[in-house]
Amino acid sequence: SQQGEEDPQALSIQEGENATMNCSYKTSINNLQWYRQNSGRGLVHLILIRSNEREKHSGRLRVTLDTSKKSSSLLITASRAADTASYFCATGLPNDYKLSFGAGTTVTVRA
Amino acid sequence: GAGVSQSPSNKVTEKGKDVELRCDPISGHTALYWYRQSLGQGLEFLIYFQGNSAPDKSGLPSDRFSAERTGGSVSTLTIQRTQQEDSAVYLCASRGGVTDTQYFGPGTRLTVL
Repeated sequence: SQQGEEDPQALSIQEGENATMNCSYKTSINNLQWYRQNSGRGLVHLILIRSNEREKHSGRLRVTLDTSKKSSSLLITASRAADTASYFCATGLPNDYKLSFGAGTTVTVRA
Repeated sequence: GAGVSQSPSNKVTEKGKDVELRCDPISGHTALYWYRQSLGQGLEFLIYFQGNSAPDKSGLPSDRFSAERTGGSVSTLTIQRTQQEDSAVYLCASRGGVTDTQYFGPGTRLTVL
């Protein structure tokens, strides 16, 4: 069963706007990761946040983690057409190197 | 070095045939994963190899699915007597050292007619 669930399922925004998507999970985690997938093929790792961290930044990406609410958010600022993709959160559990992926958020950035 | 590679990129087969999918992980990565992604869905874990340890096969959906990893490097996922519900993109990922990040290959799109 999937541990993480992304919300919304789909998001359409204008170029230059910010995109926010959320991930909720069920059990205690060791880390939470965000991946991007273009055209239904390989996933690209974006950012990893550990359970003892609350916020991380990478370029135009900002990730927050609230372990009390078992949720995370991914913010993409100043979106570009190239950001059009599906975004997945994946949770890493303690003492387990498998990742559990959500169903993803499909983001469309309109020019 | 090079990233994770997978072959073939696309495979069309007839129901009942066996197929083999190949994954070449990043050199030196000791951990290797196989996932399956059905259309519009998230990734479903299939199997995990770590060094010389016994693989974690807990995600394999049936005994028609098997995988091996030779010499701690290349891995082959075999699906016997394919069914139409096996149609999906099969993704391989590898991980090295103490990082939790997985590096994915481009996937193999399997279509069972």
